[in-house]
Amino acid sequence: DIVMSQSPDSLAVALGERATINCTSSQSVLHSSKKSRNFLAWFQQKPGQAPNLLLYWASTRKSGVPDRFSGSGSGTDFTLTISSLQPEDVAVYYCQQYYSTPFSFGQGTKLGIK
Amino acid sequence: EVQLVQSGAEVKKPGESLKISCRASGYSFVYYWIGWVRQLPGKGLEWMGTIYPDDSETRYSPSFQGQVTMSVDKSIATAYLQWSGLKTSDTGVYFCARMPELPYYFDSWGQGTLVTVSS
Repeated sequence: DIVMSQSPDSLAVALGERATINCTSSQSVLHSSKKSRNFLAWFQQKPGQAPNLLLYWASTRKSGVPDRFSGSGSGTDFTLTISSLQPEDVAVYYCQQYYSTPFSFGQGTKLGIK
Repeated sequence: EVQLVQSGAEVKKPGESLKISCRASGYSFVYYWIGWVRQLPGKGLEWMGTIYPDDSETRYSPSFQGQVTMSVDKSIATAYLQWSGLKTSDTGVYFCARMPELPYYFDSWGQGTLVTVSS
């Protein structure tokens, strides 16, 4: 099974500043035979709500997601960046690999305002 | 509009059985995988498994194999997650979510069903 690890576990950033969350997989999630795509997604979860898909294929933003959210990385190391933190971005963020079942999640990163 | 609407909160005793549901609308139910995700109180997300409604092919996480059963009723575009003997450790929120194919990301989620198991 692929194990996903995120860092840090929690993070506080000033409004308007950059927030960076890292995600590492125990094995590569780059599928060379499927258009060389990284099978990695990022989700945002606010209290009492279902997770909300932000990015897929590691860096493709879902329609309607603000462009301050971006994803990068390949293979085993990935990053979610929020370029200018807004109050509504306070949430827990999860990465998930969908390369092979079980499709595991990272433990989550709690993002708050400094 | 794609929607996944889950059944309401449940309170059960240890050892009881339970079946929760996820009703789909706005797309062709049989051709999209439905997955289930658990969230224990104050904890992260855990992928439980997935089912393909057209032929009921299922893939369970080893952590949940034998602990739960996934099923569907194509006639009413509904997926189910059931337990035959609940434990207090099953207390949590259970989400259903949709995948266009396997493997793929979850592109739509249900609102979640809170299951509380307490004596």
